[in-house]
Amino acid sequence: GQQVMQIPQYQHVQEGEDFTTYCNSSTTLSNIQWYKQRPGGHPVFLIQLVKSGEVKKQKRLTFQFGEAKKNSSLHITATQTTDVGTYFCAALGGTYKYIFGTGTRLKVLA
Amino acid sequence: EPEVTQTPSHQVTQMGQEVILRCVPISNHLYFYWYRQILGQKVEFLVSFYNNEISEKSEIFDDQFSVERPDGSNFTLKIRSTKLEDSAMYFCASSDRIEGAFFGQGTRLTVV
Repeated sequence: GQQVMQIPQYQHVQEGEDFTTYCNSSTTLSNIQWYKQRPGGHPVFLIQLVKSGEVKKQKRLTFQFGEAKKNSSLHITATQTTDVGTYFCAALGGTYKYIFGTGTRLKVLA
Repeated sequence: EPEVTQTPSHQVTQMGQEVILRCVPISNHLYFYWYRQILGQKVEFLVSFYNNEISEKSEIFDDQFSVERPDGSNFTLKIRSTKLEDSAMYFCASSDRIEGAFFGQGTRLTVV
């Protein structure tokens, strides 16, 4: 079945440093979604990207969808301790089936 | 703000027993999902439900699993005969397909 890989698996950064997680698929994606899961919490929807090369920003977060629609990235500028959590991308693996990536666990050191 | 609610928050059950996990999706949403997450691992798709029937299911969703929308508001996941490896956090989610899915807080299922 379709797999969506994310790298890195873990990332520790000092507060104020930037952070990027990458999501890769072997097949072309119709869209990509990003979720954040705080420790002990549930996934929270952040954004959806649909168009090739699309870039969207939410405050310090920048989301990008690759030109070939096979990869995506999430970049956080100047991380804060509130950014701690696991970031998942999710891709449509069927008509009504979203496949979650392996996730990147972010720790921010104050 | 509308939210997906799940009950119970934690369920402990004996191996071989049946469990029913309950969810109330957001009221105007049409698409419903169950996912599970074994501690510290990725979120795994179990099943999607639309127009009162299963749309897609994963290989995890075998004959021991079933879903129902009994009364137009609740959405349930039943596991007929639980196994130790069914221990996980089970998330219900709903969407209107314009945005991403909204997840409930989850039910932590522990099979002993």
